[in-house]
Amino acid sequence: QKEVEQNSGPLSVPEGAIASLNCTYSDRGSQSFFWYRQYSGKSPELIMSIYSNGDKEDGRFTAQLNKASQYVSLLIRDSQPSDSATYLCAVNGGKLVFGAGTILRVKS
Amino acid sequence: GAVVSQHPSWVICKSGTSVKIECRSLDFQATTMFWYRQFPKQSLMLMATSNEGSKATYEQGVEKDKFLINHASLTLSTLTVTSAHPEDSSFYICSASDRAGVREQFFGPGTRLTVL
Repeated sequence: QKEVEQNSGPLSVPEGAIASLNCTYSDRGSQSFFWYRQYSGKSPELIMSIYSNGDKEDGRFTAQLNKASQYVSLLIRDSQPSDSATYLCAVNGGKLVFGAGTILRVKS
Repeated sequence: GAVVSQHPSWVICKSGTSVKIECRSLDFQATTMFWYRQFPKQSLMLMATSNEGSKATYEQGVEKDKFLINHASLTLSTLTVTSAHPEDSSFYICSASDRAGVREQFFGPGTRLTVL
């Protein structure tokens, strides 16, 4: 069974700090990797996608992918209270499989 | 771009009735649409995948006769929960992709179903 693992948290960081979210996956054939943000009671919102090894930056967000280690991470720089949410890692190995999510709390 | 809408946003119904939820891609043609269910404090669980004009593919453990999916056009998919029971109460979310195969999926705002 294809699995995506995330630390459930909560991960608490002070405002302005860097938040680091991690994800591991079991399917070596996975080709596409995504990070979604989900606020309580809302549906997920796509914030990053990454397809090749290395880093991909978009504003305050950086996604990192290491296929050899089956590891994908999301860095949020200059964290804001509005970043407080659940972050879902999703991996495509034929169909999209979601992790359980990491709760991020940014304290002002 | 990549906007997906759902209707209704919430619905309350009596046990034994059927409820239809619509999912529309507003600014792109959705090759594939997906239906998820999310219980409180749990992650998304894929229920089924549908391609326009063909039968939906249901995930293991999802009753296809209870959760009827129709993907009549490239912009509309519907999920009908038949003979709903309280245990069907959940947050139902659709998503759509504009490419064959799974690339980015764009999610609708979700429908909260409460069955009394």
